[in-house]
Amino acid sequence: SAVISQKPSRDICQRGTSLTIQCQVDSQVTMMFWYRQQPGQSLTLIATANQGSEATYESGFVIDKFPISRPNLTFSTLTVSNMSPEDSSIYLCSVARDRDSPLHFGNGTRLTVT
Amino acid sequence: KNQVEQSPQSLIILEGKNCTLQCNYTVSPFSNLRWYKQDTGRGPVSLTIMTFSENTKSNGRYTATLDADTKQSSLHITASQLSDSASYICVVTSNDMRFGAGTRLTVKP
Repeated sequence: SAVISQKPSRDICQRGTSLTIQCQVDSQVTMMFWYRQQPGQSLTLIATANQGSEATYESGFVIDKFPISRPNLTFSTLTVSNMSPEDSSIYLCSVARDRDSPLHFGNGTRLTVT
Repeated sequence: KNQVEQSPQSLIILEGKNCTLQCNYTVSPFSNLRWYKQDTGRGPVSLTIMTFSENTKSNGRYTATLDADTKQSSLHITASQLSDSASYICVVTSNDMRFGAGTRLTVKP
């Protein structure tokens, strides 16, 4: 199974600033996703990170707020822009070999916006 | 309304006891159903996968069941251990993946 390193593990940020979260995978993967998990809530898919092209965003999430990069098959970044307290959440990177394979998750980034 | 509903929301049991977690879904069409375990501060880890034709599948002390007719699944944990304390998330794959909110299990000594 893939080993996923996510950085930072946690951060406390001020309103109006931006934070970039990194996701490094120890092997090449086709499918890479970014999720948000708010306390006591389901995981919500933000976007699918596509290698070499623009990410595919889910309803309610836009590129200006959550720009994503995926320069190769082992690395991706998610930026949370112009943060507000409502962005306080856990952000998780995950990968899968294909649609029928299990998701493998990073340990998440716990973001607190003050 | 979430298309994957889990119950109970939280559960506290004593070490050594058994418990059963429930997952009801309305997602269609159905491809598969997975149970994930999420330890505090960690990402979810897949425990088991159920496809349409499978009724029961075991993974050590974890046994998952699926009734595709009633669209219900359960996760039974036998002889619970302190390390079973975690959130258990039901994920149903259709055209995309739908996540339940999870059941928070606490095993006390």
